[in-house]
Amino acid sequence: GEDVEQSLFLSVREGDSSVINCTYTDSSSTYLYWYKQEPGAGLQLLTYIFSNMDMKQDQRLTVLLNKKDKHLSLRIADTQTGDSAIYFCAEKKGYSTLTFGKGTMLLVSP
Amino acid sequence: ETGVTQSPTHLIKTRGQQVTLRCSSQSGHNTVSWYQQALGQGPQFIFQYYREEENGRGNFPPRFSGLQFPNYSSELNVNALELDDSALYLCASSFRDNPSDTQYFGPGTRLTVL
Repeated sequence: GEDVEQSLFLSVREGDSSVINCTYTDSSSTYLYWYKQEPGAGLQLLTYIFSNMDMKQDQRLTVLLNKKDKHLSLRIADTQTGDSAIYFCAEKKGYSTLTFGKGTMLLVSP
Repeated sequence: ETGVTQSPTHLIKTRGQQVTLRCSSQSGHNTVSWYQQALGQGPQFIFQYYREEENGRGNFPPRFSGLQFPNYSSELNVNALELDDSALYLCASSFRDNPSDTQYFGPGTRLTVL
């Protein structure tokens, strides 16, 4: 089974907040990442959080980490149509090995 | 600052053939990781190169091999191609000595095996 789990689809209206959730299983993971992938493109790093932090904010993005429950979330404030993409959660294991979820497709409607 | 680049963009091969994909790492980075992304899936780790040596490998057979060059660029070679090898191949570079060791991805090479 997948080490990292994400819901597959999220639909929001433009201007609303989006919350994408992720559950990981390796408590020894040191860093957790969020990447964005647009159709036919590579992965764009959005943000990351160190495992001893609870929250990180970067402009419209807020990452929350609940280490006890191994739960990670990405909140996008004031979601825009340009935010429509697939969002991947990834955990870092060992030397630079990233384990990804299957991704959450975010659809933003006008 | 130049980002991660990959070539070619697209490639079509037939079963049994061999393919070489190339990756140039971001300036200042010393580590290259390769991932395979099948349609509708998340990227799967193939292997990583650091100081020109393989440093970690995922669940991929030996017909997947690679190289890293002194300038930190890298190649991924796949022998005896199978239909299931059709995927987007992503290269990511990072600076191993940085604690976060954040990986930055290239645009990928789309491989189709017929």
